[in-house]
Amino acid sequence: KQEVTQIPAALSVPEGENLVLNCSFTDSAIYNLQWFRQDPGKGLTSLLLIQSSQREQTSGRLNASLDKSSGRSTLYIAASQPGDSATYLCAVRPVDYGQNFVFGPGTRLSVLP
Amino acid sequence: GAGVSQTPSNKVTEKGKYVELRCDPISGHTALYWYRQSLGQGPEFLIYFQGTGAADDSGLPNDRFFAVRPEGSVSTLKIQRTERGDSAVYLCASSFSGNNEQFFGPGTRLTVL
Repeated sequence: KQEVTQIPAALSVPEGENLVLNCSFTDSAIYNLQWFRQDPGKGLTSLLLIQSSQREQTSGRLNASLDKSSGRSTLYIAASQPGDSATYLCAVRPVDYGQNFVFGPGTRLSVLP
Repeated sequence: GAGVSQTPSNKVTEKGKYVELRCDPISGHTALYWYRQSLGQGPEFLIYFQGTGAADDSGLPNDRFFAVRPEGSVSTLKIQRTERGDSAVYLCASSFSGNNEQFFGPGTRLTVL
């Protein structure tokens, strides 16, 4: 059964720092991996989707990489801003378990002004 | 708006009552998903629809939970004989097809007293 973990559980950084969030999954047989942002009391906002054949995706200050064979993905945030404060979730779509995503528990990020 | 919408945004009910939660997906999206999110955790998959049919309902916790999508658009998640443990945020997502990027609604916060 696919399991997804995220490290660290929480992270606090000063404004302007570059940072990396980590996501690990146990089964490399996936269709894709998606990174989301969730603000308190809100739904999920899609950030980046990486297909299994891709190694990375970029959007603005965000860069997500995927190493399927080792079961790892990273989300790199450049020049962090207080507005980046949120919980970041990664989710994988396993090949063997239908079309549903398996989510990690999230990393709670605080960017201090 | 063009996003996924969910109603109501908040629902408070008493133990043993019946509730219905509604999801309006993005127009043209054939795939629709229901998830449940407890405090401090990532969303857990409940059920996935492709068109009108439930392609995967393996995440429904028991037979008190049921979902329909009769015309392949709006979906309703139905919970019978609610229990306090059903309290959570119920999230809906849609995608153009099964392997595409998922877009989430704002969720319905269900509180069972």
